[in-house]
Amino acid sequence: DAKTTQPNSMESNEEEPVHLPCNHSTISGTDYIHWYRQLPSQGPEYVIHGLTSNVNNRMASLAIAEDRKSSTLILHRATLRDAAVYYCILRDRMDSSYKLIFGSGTRLLVRP
Amino acid sequence: EAGVAQSPRYKIIEKRQSVAFWCNPISGHATLYWYQQILGQGPKLLIQFQNNGVVDDSQLPKDRFSAERLKGVDSTLKIQPAKLEDSAVYLCASTGLGFLAQYFGPGTRLLVL
Repeated sequence: DAKTTQPNSMESNEEEPVHLPCNHSTISGTDYIHWYRQLPSQGPEYVIHGLTSNVNNRMASLAIAEDRKSSTLILHRATLRDAAVYYCILRDRMDSSYKLIFGSGTRLLVRP
Repeated sequence: EAGVAQSPRYKIIEKRQSVAFWCNPISGHATLYWYQQILGQGPKLLIQFQNNGVVDDSQLPKDRFSAERLKGVDSTLKIQPAKLEDSAVYLCASTGLGFLAQYFGPGTRLLVL
């Protein structure tokens, strides 16, 4: 399975934008880029996913590099509730099992 | 829409005892997953069901772990006998048609003494 590389931790101030990077240099043409986050004492929750084009939803934006070897999750205005571990995961769209392989993720600390 | 339900939320047992966890997925979701999350790590898939059939159990320690999903709805995960290294959070997730996202329950936190 393709691997992703994320920083162990990042810090942000409340109400400021946050850019969470993810490197996936071995991504294949059929891999979706998924982001999940895990708030303290909760299960992971889906944030966003994309294939080639940038994506926006109510939670975040996903910017995908032109060569698809990296991506950035953008939280436009961080709140204290956004403090969580963020996981960048590659999922092969040809894999009908929708298997997710989690790494260690990035722990985001939001300062008031 | 109700989310994925899991019980119990917490369990403390001694090593060599047995324990069982229960999961009720989102209504209509055919695919159900059990994950193990050790402190400081990301979740690791243990087993995946499609309806009541096993799709992937390659990471399940079958000498002590078992899981079933009778009738293709709720599921139980059992550990017998438990070891100290089984201390972890056990997460259940489900997904429906289209596989847009996995929806996770709150997890069961197991401590083996």
